[in-house]
This record gives sequence, structure tokens and C-alpha cells, in this order.
Amino acid sequence: DIVMTQSPDSLAVSLGERATINCKSSQSVLYSSNNKNYLAWYQQKAGQPPKLLIYWASTRESGVPDRFSGSGSGTDFTLTISSLQAEDVAVYYCQQYYSAPITFGQGTRLEIE
Amino acid sequence: QVQLQESGPGLVKPSQTLSLTCTVSGGSISSGAYYWTWIRQPAGKGLECIGRIYTSGTSYNPSLKSRVTMSLDTSKNQFSLKLSSVTAADTAVYYCARTIAGTGGAFDIWGQGTMVTVSS
Repeated sequence: DIVMTQSPDSLAVSLGERATINCKSSQSVLYSSNNKNYLAWYQQKAGQPPKLLIYWASTRESGVPDRFSGSGSGTDFTLTISSLQAEDVAVYYCQQYYSAPITFGQGTRLEIE
Repeated sequence: QVQLQESGPGLVKPSQTLSLTCTVSGGSISSGAYYWTWIRQPAGKGLECIGRIYTSGTSYNPSLKSRVTMSLDTSKNQFSLKLSSVTAADTAVYYCARTIAGTGGAFDIWGQGTMVTVSS
């Protein structure tokens, strides 16, 4: 199985500031034939199911605010929230879909400082 | 607008079989354009993919494969999960989710989840 490791486990950021969450995979999730990274990011608010934010490592899902962006390739990825809003308080997960079984990171809890 | 809704018993006894159904509304489950997945989340913990089903087959997590069966009911636009020989470790919120085939495996639509407790 591909192990996904996120850092940090928790993060406190002031409103309007930048938040950065990292995700590292135990092996590359870059598929050479199409040059796509099989990596997604989700936001999960308390009592709700996860919500897809980013797929293919950097493609924003329809309706997701442009303050959310994804970057990285191969084994190292980053989710950036450019200007933190109060409604962004949540747990964020990365997920690889390069190979079965699909696996998720352990989650990063984002709070307001 | 496609919506998913999980249903099933909230309490299952140890050693018995957990059975859940996901009802899909606003779209056809028999379209080959989608994969349908079960994911679970123990309280306060992370997400585990149980397996997925599509019109041409299934793919189960090897860690659960010996206990898992998934099926499609196209007449009811539902898909289901059966997990046998459950223990307390199977206590979790169970989600159903959709993947657009050809996009790999990102889950674009999720159900609200259903809590299942394994206890005598």
C-alpha cells in the first residue's frame, strides 16, 4: 500500500494569513504515460463528509474558492490556503488514487490562531 | 444534482454481518461513467477505503477483502456493502461516494454517512 503522511498534524493560522499543509507519499503517484499526479485533497468540517477540493494534485474542483491551491509532483505535495477565512476551519486530507488500495493521509487539523 | 444516501442498521452484534445500502438519486448507477465506493471513518480517526464497484466488477481493499461483498441493484439505483464477522474495530461512520471513471479515483460526491456500532 502507498502510505500518505501529512505534516503538520495540526496548524493554527491567523485570519487572512497563509496556511500550508504538506503531504508525502511513500512512492511516486505520478503516472508517466499521462504526466498526471494521482493525488487529491479534501476538506472535512465537523459532522460532515469530506469535500473534494483538488484533484490531479492541482486542479480545483468546481465551486471551490480560488484561495485553495494544490502543488507538487511525484511524492511531495502541498495544499495552500492563501488567505485563511473562518469557514476554512476543518480537517484536511490528502488521498492517492495511483494504485489500489486508495489511501488517505492521517489528516491535518486547521484552526484559527 | 446527484445525491447519495446511506441506510442500514446502526447497531450490529459482534460476529454478525454489517449490511448497508447507498441510494443514488439524480443520476443512473448503471452508467459506466462512474465507480461507486464505500469508505469508513472510525470516530476521531482517518479515512479507510473499503472497496468499490462498477458495472464491470469490483475492487476490494486487501485488508478487508475476505469479509467484503459489494453489489449493484440497478432496478433500485442502489449499491450495497456487506461486511461479515464484524468486531468492535469495525465501528465507524460509513460513507458511500462516487468517482468519475477516467479521472482515477477522486471522490467528487459523498453521502452524509451512517454511524455503525458493533456491540452486543
